[in-house]
Amino acid sequence: EDQVTQSPEALRLQEGESSSLNCSYTVSGLRGLFWYRQDPGKGPEFLFTLYSAGEEKEKERLKATLTKKESFLHITAPKPEDSATYLCAVALNTGNQFYFGTGTSLTVIP
Amino acid sequence: NAGVTQTPKFRVLKTGQSMTLLCAQDMNHEYMYWYRQDPGMGLRLIHYSVGEGTTAKGEVPDGYNVSRLKKQNFLLGLESAAPSQTSVYFCASSDRGGTEAFFGQGTRLTVV
Repeated sequence: EDQVTQSPEALRLQEGESSSLNCSYTVSGLRGLFWYRQDPGKGPEFLFTLYSAGEEKEKERLKATLTKKESFLHITAPKPEDSATYLCAVALNTGNQFYFGTGTSLTVIP
Repeated sequence: NAGVTQTPKFRVLKTGQSMTLLCAQDMNHEYMYWYRQDPGMGLRLIHYSVGEGTTAKGEVPDGYNVSRLKKQNFLLGLESAAPSQTSVYFCASSDRGGTEAFFGQGTRLTVV
């Protein structure tokens, strides 16, 4: 069965304390892996797409990496405004769906 | 450029009532999706469409119907609302399969 698992469920960081969020997947035929940010009461906001193992993407304090079994979202020197829920999703070579993980709720304390 | 727009943003229904949620996108995307988001369960796909006039079932389609009469619009209908359909509903669109999807702001639906 295709699965997407995110860890940890929740993470509290001090401002400036770098860390990583994990998204592991067990799927047959990965077409792409996607990271989203979701603020309370809002829709998910697209961050990154990764298509192949070894690929990396960066945006401000965020860096996403991909291996054959998992993806990491590295947050360097986070600020309170980085507080949000981060979702990952996968698309498969077969079918037209995205499969979402349940997210990591990140809180950055000033 | 509005992206993906959902209406309404909030709605309260009584059990057994019907309603339609409207999603409109202005990005000329082929694919459109309806998800529901419940605490602890993540985003689950209800129905999706790969082009004008097409629809397909997702993971949790029971109790919902959809139509895609125009490329830019995707309608989600609840014929007889049940309390189990209390949720936040998100519409999304993507250029094609396997590319990033862009989401609307959501509709919070409460069925009492």
